[in-house]
Amino acid sequence: DVKVTQSSRYLVKRTGEKVFLECVQDMDHENMFWYRQDPGLGLRLIYFSYDVKMKEKGDIPEGYSVSREKKERFSLILESASTNQTSMYLCASSLWETQYFGPGTRLLVL
Amino acid sequence: DQQVKQNSPSLSVQEGRISILNCDYTNSMFDYFLWYKKYPAEGPTFLISISSIKDKNEDGRFTVFLNKSAKHLSLHIVPSQPGDSAVYFCAASPINNNDMRFGAGTRLTVKP
Repeated sequence: DVKVTQSSRYLVKRTGEKVFLECVQDMDHENMFWYRQDPGLGLRLIYFSYDVKMKEKGDIPEGYSVSREKKERFSLILESASTNQTSMYLCASSLWETQYFGPGTRLLVL
Repeated sequence: DQQVKQNSPSLSVQEGRISILNCDYTNSMFDYFLWYKKYPAEGPTFLISISSIKDKNEDGRFTVFLNKSAKHLSLHIVPSQPGDSAVYFCAASPINNNDMRFGAGTRLTVKP
């Protein structure tokens, strides 16, 4: 079974704080993704990575950065959190077409 | 631009009846299509997929139909069960899955 874990299920942060969301997968997948899910908008891709130290921007990268130092770990960084970044953040990994998701992190920025 | 559209935000069916969830797409480069199911406070879980060389794929109570000419796919659940109540996301990608697009989701409620 593919297992994708995310460091926190719920987070509350203040505006301007730096926020780290971590994702770990145990299936040796090449590809990893970060999405945010908002009501009525579905899942929107923030960044993805197809190899260690490689990253590509998705549809909504503004205000975010990522880090992939090891194959199994993909981190999402909010450099200076803002209230419009309150959302559900989902990490996924894949080898081929099917992506497998973690449980999500619900982030509230006050 | 929404390349994958689920025009029904919600659907309610009676237990034992058929649930039909619909999805339309605009990008003719998409050739792999998936359905994910999501419970509250959990990540989406993969349900069923279909490639563009097929028009139907079946897995137990779940069947996905693809109509390439109409750029339309649907998920049929029969018989529907209360445990099927969840949000269902349609997704599509070209051969390179790094560009997977998701619909906005349809909330299915199956009433006992």
